[in-house]
Amino acid sequence: ETGVTQSPTHLIKTRGQQVTLRCSSQSGHNTVSWYQQALGQGPQFIFQYYREEENGRGNFPPRFSGLQFPNYSSELNVNALELDDSALYLCASSLGLAGYNEQFFGPGTRLTVL
Amino acid sequence: AQSVTQPDIHITVSEGASLELRCNYSYGATPYLFWYVQSPGQGLQLLLKYFSGDTLVQGIKGFEAEFKRSQSSFNLRKPSVHWSDAAEYFCAVGASKTSGTYKYIFGTGTRLKVLA
Repeated sequence: ETGVTQSPTHLIKTRGQQVTLRCSSQSGHNTVSWYQQALGQGPQFIFQYYREEENGRGNFPPRFSGLQFPNYSSELNVNALELDDSALYLCASSLGLAGYNEQFFGPGTRLTVL
Repeated sequence: AQSVTQPDIHITVSEGASLELRCNYSYGATPYLFWYVQSPGQGLQLLLKYFSGDTLVQGIKGFEAEFKRSQSSFNLRKPSVHWSDAAEYFCAVGASKTSGTYKYIFGTGTRLKVLA
């Protein structure tokens, strides 16, 4: 069974650019959540996708957007990058929305904005 | 509001000593609680989780945690720390919305340093 994978591992962008991060969910998982972890902080919930629809969003501006594909993989897009967007971006997949469905985390993508 | 507090930002212990990392949560219903460990530059690894039942939960790597509803706490313990336990530890609560969104709310983490 393949776990959650994310690509790329590292990324360097400049302010104002756009970036796309990718996540492949664990086999059979239909729910993907994205988190941002700034340096020295705990992960913060960005949004969640369930069966290709956005199913909840944290306190992040609209320039953070996402997609989920029929195979349940997901993308996180960030437009007009700002220096504060530099962080580790974590993807987590789960089997459904119920609280007892554990979220499994990928290794993350480290984004640096210069 | 739903929140998780980890009061200790840094903790230093000697190898072989016991360890307790504190976690307090604020959540209206019966919480789902988690402890994760993160090594530098790595993702999150689940140590243990509490959903219901026995309030003392056993996890991997010799860790355990105790859920105390009256104190809104879920402290992580290990009787004898190994040098490889040096890492950052995060407590999290699973939070639901009426919309069906289920997210984790994380504490700010406790960085553990182990002295040889």
